[in-house]
Amino acid sequence: AQKVTQAQTEISVVEKEDVTLDCVYETRDTTYYLFWYKQPPSGELVFLIRRNSFDEQNEISGRYSWNFQKSTSSFNFTITASQVVDSAVYFCALPTDNYGQNFVFGPGTRLSVLP
Amino acid sequence: GAGVSQTPSNKVTEKGKYVELRCDPISGHTALYWYRQSLGQGPEFLIYFQGTGAADDSGLPNDRFFAVRPEGSVSTLKIQRTERGDSAVYLCASSHRQAANTGELFFGEGSRLTVL
Repeated sequence: AQKVTQAQTEISVVEKEDVTLDCVYETRDTTYYLFWYKQPPSGELVFLIRRNSFDEQNEISGRYSWNFQKSTSSFNFTITASQVVDSAVYFCALPTDNYGQNFVFGPGTRLSVLP
Repeated sequence: GAGVSQTPSNKVTEKGKYVELRCDPISGHTALYWYRQSLGQGPEFLIYFQGTGAADDSGLPNDRFFAVRPEGSVSTLKIQRTERGDSAVYLCASSHRQAANTGELFFGEGSRLTVL
């Protein structure tokens, strides 16, 4: 069965520090997508990134970067020079199967960026 | 509005009562999802619609839960004989098509249900 583990329940950093959020997954599929979503205090989950299992290149988007390592089944997310507005709960997610219409979400990591 | 709209934003009810939660997806999105999020946990899948039909309702916890989407747009999640364990935030999301493989989900802000 599909499973997503986010071992870090809560992380606190001071503004401008770098922070990495860990995600480890289990899947029976040979090809799959992985997702990260952000949930700010308003409650609305916001899509951040989708990666295909074929592509293990790291991806950078502004202050965000993602490190996908298929060999260790990890898809970690790094925020560089964190800002207070980055404070939110971050979820890693995996489709239920190759033709899945829905996601399995991890338990989330609550990030607090202190001024 | 342009986003997914959910009403009510908050609902407090008594054990045993009937509740309806409404979701208005982004115009043109054919896929609609309901998730449930308990405190401190990630969202859990309940049901998925493609058009008017429920393509996957495997996440509904029991027969007290039911959802409809009669015209392929607005959806209503219905909970009968509510129990305290039903207390959670109910999230609705929509997407163009098979979001799990090709796209992304657009979420609403959720309906917080509290059963006393």
